[in-house]
Amino acid sequence: AQTVTQSQPEMSVQEAETVTLSCTYDTSESDYYLFWYKQPPSRQMILVIRQEAYKQQNATENRFSVNFQKAAKSFSLKISDSQLGDAAMYFCAYRRLSGNTGKLIFGQGTTLQVKP
Amino acid sequence: NAGVMQNPRHLVRRRGQEARLRCSPMKGHSHVYWYRQLPEEGLKFMVYLQKENIIDESGMPKERFSAEFPKEGPSILRIQQVVRGDSAAYFCASSSRDRGTNYGYTFGSGTRLTVV
Repeated sequence: AQTVTQSQPEMSVQEAETVTLSCTYDTSESDYYLFWYKQPPSRQMILVIRQEAYKQQNATENRFSVNFQKAAKSFSLKISDSQLGDAAMYFCAYRRLSGNTGKLIFGQGTTLQVKP
Repeated sequence: NAGVMQNPRHLVRRRGQEARLRCSPMKGHSHVYWYRQLPEEGLKFMVYLQKENIIDESGMPKERFSAEFPKEGPSILRIQQVVRGDSAAYFCASSSRDRGTNYGYTFGSGTRLTVV
């Protein structure tokens, strides 16, 4: 069975600095997607960035980028120039490509605090 | 184009009562997923439905929980005879095709169920 692990329950970063959130996963599949979701206090789940496993190039979305290491099964999120609005819970998620279900498997989450 | 609408946003039930959670997917979406988030945990997949069909219910508890997505109207997650352990946030997500899209899917803001 696939699993997703986020080993950092809490992280903090100074405003304008850079922070990296860690995520590892376990799967025997070769094709899959990986996601980072942000959950602010409003509870809304917001997609931050995604990565297809078959792509070697790391995904980037403005200040957010990932370091995808397929062999190591690692998928970390880097937030550059941190802003107060980045404070939230961040979840790493995995979805297999095969099969007829699109269910996501989430990690336990990392709470990010941004200090002014 | 309204997003995924869930109601109610907050629901309080006494032990033994029934809870009905509603989810209206985004316009044009015919695939619905339900997830449960216990306090301080990530989201856990419960069930995946298409119109009038349950595709994957591998995450649903065997008793008291049921879900439907009728041809007309919202998807309903029903919890009978609620117990304190059912207290959680329940999220619905929708997509326009099976297995979600390359971008994951769109989540609602969730229903927080409190059992007293």
